[in-house]
Amino acid sequence: AQSVAQPEDQVNVAEGNPLTVKCTYSVSGNPYLFWYVQYPNRGLQFLLKYITGDNLVKGSYGFEAEFNKSQTSFHLKKPSALVSDSALYFCAVRDPQAGTALIFGKGTTLSVSS
Amino acid sequence: DAGVIQSPRHEVTEMGQEVTLRCKPISGHNSLFWYRQTMMRGLELLIYFNNNVPIDDSGMPEDRFSAKMPNASFSTLKIQPSEPRDSAVYFCASSLSQGAASWSPNQPQHFGDGTRLSIL
Repeated sequence: AQSVAQPEDQVNVAEGNPLTVKCTYSVSGNPYLFWYVQYPNRGLQFLLKYITGDNLVKGSYGFEAEFNKSQTSFHLKKPSALVSDSALYFCAVRDPQAGTALIFGKGTTLSVSS
Repeated sequence: DAGVIQSPRHEVTEMGQEVTLRCKPISGHNSLFWYRQTMMRGLELLIYFNNNVPIDDSGMPEDRFSAKMPNASFSTLKIQPSEPRDSAVYFCASSLSQGAASWSPNQPQHFGDGTRLSIL
């Protein structure tokens, strides 16, 4: 069965510092991986995806994520955090062979202090 | 461009009442998803439609929940009768699918702003 784990409920980082939000996954085949962000009282917004190809994926708002097949990870990164990046971040996975929709992680709250 | 539109944004009602949540997907999108978000369980997929046809409703918690998509521009999620444990934020999302029976994973899902449902 496919699953996705976000091991940290909260990540705290100072503005200007690099940030990493962790995600690990489990699927039987090659995964499709996604990151979404949710601001208060809003729906989820798509940030980036990995389907195939280059392991480093660049997305919206300066975010990027690195697909690591051997570690079954897809960590979200940004070189320099902004206070406005503070939000709830979701990792999601789909096993294309399973024929199901996305499975979301529990979410990680990112707090960027000024 | 208009995004996914959900109504109402907030709903407060007493247990036992019927609740109907509405969703208008992005024009041209042919896959539609209903999710429920709670603190305890996170984001759960309830059901998704492709070309107005329900493809996977395995996430619908009970027979009290039902969803319809009578046309490409409208969907409803109904709870009858409602219970306090149904209190949650319900999201609708849409995307563009290239397949007949499944959504296309390389197309992102676009979410509405949700309906915050409180059952007293």
